[in-house]
Amino acid sequence: KQEVTQIPAALSVPEGENLVLNCSFTDSAIYNLQWFRQDPGKGLTSLLLIQSSQREQTSGRLNASLDKSSGRSTLYIAASQPGDSATYLCAVPHNYGQNFVFGPGTRLSVLP
Amino acid sequence: EAQVTQNPRYLITVTGKKLTVTCSQNMNHEYMSWYRQDPGLGLRQIYYSMNVEVTDKGDVPEGYKVSRKEKRNFPLILESPSPNQTSLYFCASSFKGQGGYGYTFGSGTRLTVV
Repeated sequence: KQEVTQIPAALSVPEGENLVLNCSFTDSAIYNLQWFRQDPGKGLTSLLLIQSSQREQTSGRLNASLDKSSGRSTLYIAASQPGDSATYLCAVPHNYGQNFVFGPGTRLSVLP
Repeated sequence: EAQVTQNPRYLITVTGKKLTVTCSQNMNHEYMSWYRQDPGLGLRQIYYSMNVEVTDKGDVPEGYKVSRKEKRNFPLILESPSPNQTSLYFCASSFKGQGGYGYTFGSGTRLTVV
């Protein structure tokens, strides 16, 4: 059974810092990995989707990497801003790529 | 605008009173799914549907029903809600296929059962 963990559970940084969020999964036979952002009490916004054949994806200040063999993904946020404060979740599919398993999330606070 | 629409956004109900949470997507996605999110437990899948008239149980299906009579709609039905079903519910959709195109989520429905 696929299990997803995320480290750290919470992170508080001053504005402007570069930071790394980690995601680990137990079954490396995945089709893709997706990173989401969730604001308190709100829905999930997709940030980046990395296909299994890719090593990384970039969107603005965000860069996500994927190492299938080691069961790890990292989300790098450059020059963090207070508006980046949210919970970040990673998700990987099982059951033929359609049923996602979510990690518990990393709660990020960026202080002005 | 491509989106997944859930209604209602907030719902307070009493134990045992049947309710339906609607979910509709306008992206012609084959795959739709319902999740609940609880503190300390994260997001857990309730039911999913690979296409019209095809539904299957997720990890926590007890107490819930779904139907998929049309491609765009995937309602979540609680026949006899109980307080342990108080949660934040999300509907999601995607195109079907290995490799995947990623999920699009609705804004959520916060349900309180008293």
